[in-house]
Amino acid sequence: KAGVTQTPRYLIKTRGQQVTLSCSPISGHRSVSWYQQTPGQGLQFLFEYFSETQRNKGNFPGRFSGRQFSNSRSEMNVSTLELGDSALYLCASRAYSILTSTDTQYFGPGTRLTVL
Amino acid sequence: KQEVTQIPAALSVPEGENLVLNCSFTDSAIYNLQWFRQDPGKGLTSLLLIQSSQREQTSGRLNASLDKSSGRSTLYIAASQPGDSATYLCAVSGFQKLVFGTGTRLLVSP
Repeated sequence: KAGVTQTPRYLIKTRGQQVTLSCSPISGHRSVSWYQQTPGQGLQFLFEYFSETQRNKGNFPGRFSGRQFSNSRSEMNVSTLELGDSALYLCASRAYSILTSTDTQYFGPGTRLTVL
Repeated sequence: KQEVTQIPAALSVPEGENLVLNCSFTDSAIYNLQWFRQDPGKGLTSLLLIQSSQREQTSGRLNASLDKSSGRSTLYIAASQPGDSATYLCAVSGFQKLVFGTGTRLLVSP
C-alpha cells in the first residue's frame, strides 16, 4: 500500500496570503488528522476528519480550517497568514482495528510552510 | 488537560551503548501510547504502539514499556548505532487525537 502523501512539500508565502495544503491518506483509511509542528510549541493537534465530517478540533484560531472529500483526501486552509504560522504541517492517516483494538496513526512527510 | 513530558531533552552516546528514553503523562485515561522517530525535516515514523491493556512491546532492538498507573513509558534501545540518531517522540492517544511529548534528540557517535 502507498503511504500518506502530502502536497506540496515546501511552500513559501508572505504575510496576509492564504494557503491550501493537501493530504491523501492510505487507501481504505477514512480518518485524517492534521498537526502543526514548530520548534517552540512542538507537535499540536489541529483537527480530525472522518467520512467528510470534522470530529475534533484543537485550540487554533478560525483562520485554520479544513475539509475532507468523499475519497478521504483532505485539505487544510490557512487564511491571512502570520509569521508564526511558519511550521511543518503533518497529516496522519488513522487505522482502527476492532479485532485487535488497536488505533494506529501513520504520518505523511509533511509540508514545510515558510511565511515571510 | 493531558500533558506529556520526555526526559532527557537530548542525549549523546557512543555507538554500542544501551539507552533508555523516558516519557511521562499526567492523565492515565489513555487509549494507547505510541513511540515515533523523526529525522531532521522529515515526517514521523511509528516505532512501537502499546495498547492501554499491554505492559510492553518489542521490535528488534527496541523495547517499550507502559505503566499506566504511574503515567510512565520507557523506550529501551539496545546496542545503539549511528543510524539511530534522530528525535524520538512519544504520544498518548486520547479522544480522537494524539498528544505528543517534547521529544528526545538522540545522537549516537561512531
